[in-house]
Amino acid sequence: NAGVMQNPRHLVRRRGQEARLRCSPMKGHSHVYWYRQLPEEGLKFMVYLQKENIIDESGMPKERFSAEFPKEGPSILRIQQVVRGDSAAYFCASSPYGGLGAFFGQGTRLTVV
Amino acid sequence: AQSVTQLDSQVPVFEEAPVELRCNYSSSVSVYLFWYVQYPNQGLQLLLKYLSGSTLVKGINGFEAEFNKSQTSFHLRKPSVHISDTAEYFCAVRSSGGATNKLIFGTGTLLAVQP
Repeated sequence: NAGVMQNPRHLVRRRGQEARLRCSPMKGHSHVYWYRQLPEEGLKFMVYLQKENIIDESGMPKERFSAEFPKEGPSILRIQQVVRGDSAAYFCASSPYGGLGAFFGQGTRLTVV
Repeated sequence: AQSVTQLDSQVPVFEEAPVELRCNYSSSVSVYLFWYVQYPNQGLQLLLKYLSGSTLVKGINGFEAEFNKSQTSFHLRKPSVHISDTAEYFCAVRSSGGATNKLIFGTGTLLAVQP
């Protein structure tokens, strides 16, 4: 049973470009969470999704950021018109229910140049 | 709302010595508590969690933590550390009820084990 798979592991984008981060949850998991880790900081919650639904997006910046978890395929975190401040590690986690001890992926490290 | 405080940003310790990483939380509702470990350039791995029941929780790699409700603490301990325990350790909390399952993380403690 493969773990939570995130790709790409490293992503470099120029300012103004779009970044797409993908997350495939563990088999049987229908809950997905996205977190952002800025340098020298802990993880900050961004968004919580179940299949085809956004449950809690209280941590998402109001502009340029969006997330989806379609019926088929991975969850996508999309950042439009990236800026230097978006440089961070983005982690996805999944759980079968309730979020108790969710399993984390290895993260996507986004660098904006 | 919940918050987590990890007062020690870095804890140096010699190999085979005991260690305690401190975690205090704040919440107006009942919570679940977690400790995660992050090795360099890796994702987070769950060490242990407290949901209910016994306040002493045992996890992987010889770690344990004790939930103290009166002191709102959930300190992580290991009686004898190894070089391989060098990593960043994060304490996290989430409410035990409600529709959202988001985790609130502390800022992390770097455990630096020296030979």
